[in-house]
Amino acid sequence: DGGITQSPKYLFRKEGQNVTLSCEQNLNHDAMYWYRQDPGQGLRLIYYSQIVNDFQKGDIAEGYSVSREKKESFPLTVTSAQKNPTAFYLCASSMATNEKLFFGSGTQLSVL
Amino acid sequence: GENVEQHPSTLSVQEGDSAVIKCTYSDSASNYFPWYKQELGKRPQLIIDIRSNVGEKKDQRIAVTLNKTAKHFSLHITETQPEDSAVYFCADLSGGYNKLIFGAGTRLAVHP
Repeated sequence: DGGITQSPKYLFRKEGQNVTLSCEQNLNHDAMYWYRQDPGQGLRLIYYSQIVNDFQKGDIAEGYSVSREKKESFPLTVTSAQKNPTAFYLCASSMATNEKLFFGSGTQLSVL
Repeated sequence: GENVEQHPSTLSVQEGDSAVIKCTYSDSASNYFPWYKQELGKRPQLIIDIRSNVGEKKDQRIAVTLNKTAKHFSLHITETQPEDSAVYFCADLSGGYNKLIFGAGTRLAVHP
């Protein structure tokens, strides 16, 4: 579906639980990103990775963790330290860093 | 810190009219300005972008203009159609921070 796939589409987290959101791309893009989207707000950067085995914190990294062990995959873990995790999470990738981002279809995370 | 102000937050037009959305940025080193369209329940998609060495760029019914002196850029949609109804996000690539900063979005409604 468009070369970048996010799963699951909906996810529910119990208090104290860590959950992992999947993001896979077959576009051969070097750069990958995680954004958080809250109603009425723009996209806020959580983490990004410009190359395999390297990633940097974005504006709102606290309570989140990522890994980039493969070029195609950039999973995001929402830890129990993230006290307000309910949001729509978007993964994206691009050939050149920060240019012409391709977005996944998103994961809606809610707290039970 | 770096931010992008986007106006208006909502815009309602009649089919066939023009729509203009404006964004103002603060980093004079910003050099890349994309616009993304997000239809209801779908992923954001890049619709047009402009670099700081260009004053205007057109693609069929959409155009983007950049005023570097005033630090603002605008999206122009002519002959609007109902399928133009969506949330539009501007962004700028902050030279100082090397990351995309997104505006809060404009919800455009085109009425038949």
